[in-house]
Amino acid sequence: GENVEQHPSTLSVQEGDSAVIKCTYSDSASNYFPWYKQELGKGPQLIIDIRSNVGEKKDQRIAVTLNKTAKHFSLHITETQPEDSAVYFCAASIAAAGNKLTFGGGTRVLVKP
Amino acid sequence: DVKVTQSSRYLVKRTGEKVFLECVQDMDHENMFWYRQDPGLGLRLIYFSYDVKMKEKGDIPEGYSVSREKKERFSLILESASTNQTSMYLCASRGYTEAFFGQGTRLTVV
Repeated sequence: GENVEQHPSTLSVQEGDSAVIKCTYSDSASNYFPWYKQELGKGPQLIIDIRSNVGEKKDQRIAVTLNKTAKHFSLHITETQPEDSAVYFCAASIAAAGNKLTFGGGTRVLVKP
Repeated sequence: DVKVTQSSRYLVKRTGEKVFLECVQDMDHENMFWYRQDPGLGLRLIYFSYDVKMKEKGDIPEGYSVSREKKERFSLILESASTNQTSMYLCASRGYTEAFFGQGTRLTVV
């Protein structure tokens, strides 16, 4: 089955700096790659996703890049703010109904003011 | 506003008890999932269901079972709770792409 690895497990950045989280996946059939943010006491929420027919996607301060050949994808957060402090999860799946999402181990991001 | 609701935020149960965790979604999604979240291990899939009365084992099904009698409700059952099942349990439902999560149930088995 699919295996997703995520690095780093913790990331501390100064407010205003950029944060980058990297994930690799094993199943070349995976074609949907979402990123979830989990704030304290809440369930994960989708912040951005990318499909395998796209190399990069941006939404304001966040962007995701995908390298299908190397089977890795990354989350980039620019101009970090204290409210970006959270746990971030990457995931991979086949974008069809019923297919499970396989998650990485998570990255705890701390933005220091 | 879409919703996945888990019946309890916090539960404390004794070893050997049978435990039911309930999840309800209002999005008419076919697919529902139970994950377990432990520090450093991410979200691990316990069971999922792609239709009423249909279920599939995930990566860590041992010690758990599930029930899906209605489309909107997916229940996780711990047949005989053990201390190593102390964890955060997350329910999710999914249509074609995005999965929506409940707020989680923190279960402590003593």
